Amino acid sequence: QVQLQESGPGLVKPSETLSLTCTVSGGSISTYYWSWIRQPPGKGLEWIGNIYFSGSTKYNPSLKSRVTLSVDTSKNQFSLKLSSVTAADTAVYYCARGLSGSYWGRFDYWGQGTLVTVSS
Amino acid sequence: EIVLTQSPGTLSLSPGERATLSCRASQGVSSAYLAWYQQKPGQAPRLLIYGVSNRATGIPDRFSGSGSGTDFTLTISRLEPEDFAVYYCQQYAGSPPVTFGQGTKVEVK
Repeated sequence: QVQLQESGPGLVKPSETLSLTCTVSGGSISTYYWSWIRQPPGKGLEWIGNIYFSGSTKYNPSLKSRVTLSVDTSKNQFSLKLSSVTAADTAVYYCARGLSGSYWGRFDYWGQGTLVTVSS
Repeated sequence: EIVLTQSPGTLSLSPGERATLSCRASQGVSSAYLAWYQQKPGQAPRLLIYGVSNRATGIPDRFSGSGSGTDFTLTISRLEPEDFAVYYCQQYAGSPPVTFGQGTKVEVK
């Protein structure tokens, strides 16, 4: 059974960089696309971007200038960095698995989510 | 960017009743790339339906999806207590970004 687990600081100061890591267990990170999705408290879902195990990326144009995704296949992990954060970036951040090929946007496994609060 | 608009915002129904949720896209979406997710409080979303009408692994057959082009529907034939949740439609029509609807909350009447 594939499991995803987000980790990282729960509190980030304004203007700083939010950094999260997702660890994949029960399966290989290879062959699949790996996404980050966030949900502000009480609101809907926003896709941030994804990374293929090879390192190629796709980003949400609305966040592209501030987002960096990376993958470490040796550790079965992928990571998110979001720079210059503001209170509007406060959200639960999920990592999720997307299928291969043209179905990269179909998310069949999700992490439990981690709340990141941006506050001084 | 393709905008998905879900209606109604909230659906108040009793267990055993039929739920019909709508999702309208701002432009045509290939059926292969339209999905529905269920989210319960404090939990991550769960894939319910993909490719408009295909149930994901382990999803009971009271859940069904239909539609094409810009109009899509999720139907729950008979609501069970565990079905009261928020439902999101989602599209991933080949190019970023992936977008989600704003959600429909199915609550107990």
